[in-house]
Formats: sequence, C-alpha cells, structure tokens
Amino acid sequence: EAQVTQNPRYLITVTGKKLTVTCSQNMNHEYMSWYRQDPGLGLRQIYYSMNVEVTDKGDVPEGYKVSRKEKRNFPLILESPSPNQTSLYFCASSSAYQPQHFGDGTRLSIL
Amino acid sequence: EDQVTQSPEALRLQEGESSSLNCSYTVSGLRGLFWYRQDPGKGPEFLFTLYSAGEEKEKERLKATLTKKESFLHITAPKPEDSATYLCAVQSYTGNQFYFGTGTSLTVIP
Repeated sequence: EAQVTQNPRYLITVTGKKLTVTCSQNMNHEYMSWYRQDPGLGLRQIYYSMNVEVTDKGDVPEGYKVSRKEKRNFPLILESPSPNQTSLYFCASSSAYQPQHFGDGTRLSIL
Repeated sequence: EDQVTQSPEALRLQEGESSSLNCSYTVSGLRGLFWYRQDPGKGPEFLFTLYSAGEEKEKERLKATLTKKESFLHITAPKPEDSATYLCAVQSYTGNQFYFGTGTSLTVIP
C-alpha cells in the first residue's frame, strides 16, 4: 500500500530537549516536504526536498533542520524545541510537480 | 508574494443543498492549483489538480473549476459524509513551494 509514515504520532516533551520526527515514503517520490498546521494559519511549509541531498527552506524554517540522505526518508529535527513549535506536523511526498500524498500527522506539544 | 485565500471559513448546509467554496490566489505563474479534503485527525487527501484557466474536473458530487484569479469547488446535493475541511493550494513556476489556504470547514446536516 502506497503510504507516507510519520513517527511518532503524538509527543509531549520539554523545552530544549532535542527531538526528531521521522518520515518515510514507499512510492519512490523525489519531492518530500514538511508542514506545520496551526489554527487560523493553515498549512505552512517548513522545508522541502527535491531529491536526495537537495533541501530548501519553506516559509517557516526557523528552529528546524532536515536531511535527505536516502530517497525514502526525510526526518524533521528540532534541536532546541520551544513552546511556539507546539503544532500539528505533516510530512508529504510526490513525484515532481504532482499532487502530494500526506502522512497522518504528528501532534507535538512542547512544555 | 504567492498567496491563497479561501472563503467562507465555515459553511453549514442541509443535506441536498448545493453550494460553492471559493479559493482566490495570487501567484507568479501558476504551475498547478490543488484541492484537498481533510478529515479530523487525518492528513489532507488529494481531490483535484487544475492547471489552466477554463479547466474543470469532476468526481462524484464535487466539481472544481479554475479562472485566472480563483477556483471554485462546487458541491452538488451534498451528503453528511462530505463534511470535512476543504483545502486549496497553489504551486508556481518560479519556485517549488506549495502555498495553502486556511481551508473551508463544511458541515452537512442530515
């Protein structure tokens, strides 16, 4: 089954404790992306990757890091999380310029 | 700057009462406009892609249309299972980013 898998689905943590949210896709897609979704602000793109070893900033990259060492994986790293990064996060993948397939989201709470 | 605005924010319809959702956009060269459906606790699910003004796509009770400035998602004779948030997104030729609107929350009452 074609899917985008995010882990964990839920996480409560504390300010400053480094965390990684993993994202994996099994569709051999070149394009992968991370979004955060906040009430009233909609989905905003954090980082995206056009292919292995190619990443670019989206609209809200501050406080986040990504890497694309393999085509199927695109982890989101918060090196020193802060409460304003409490949000619902989605990973997505697609072939170039095609509609994106989304994961089921990671709800992150930073105290 | 690329931008997407959706209206209304929320819409309540009686079952069978047809209506339209609006997505207005400004983009420096439209590569594609995308409609998604999002159910609570789930990721967005792809519905349609539109590429050029005048294009239309249909799927069951949904029909998407595109002009040079906006797109409409028409819902004909909706059913309660059509209740969801509908999202619009654009991608421009000048970049590889996607820009999403804040969505329309649709509730269909039996």
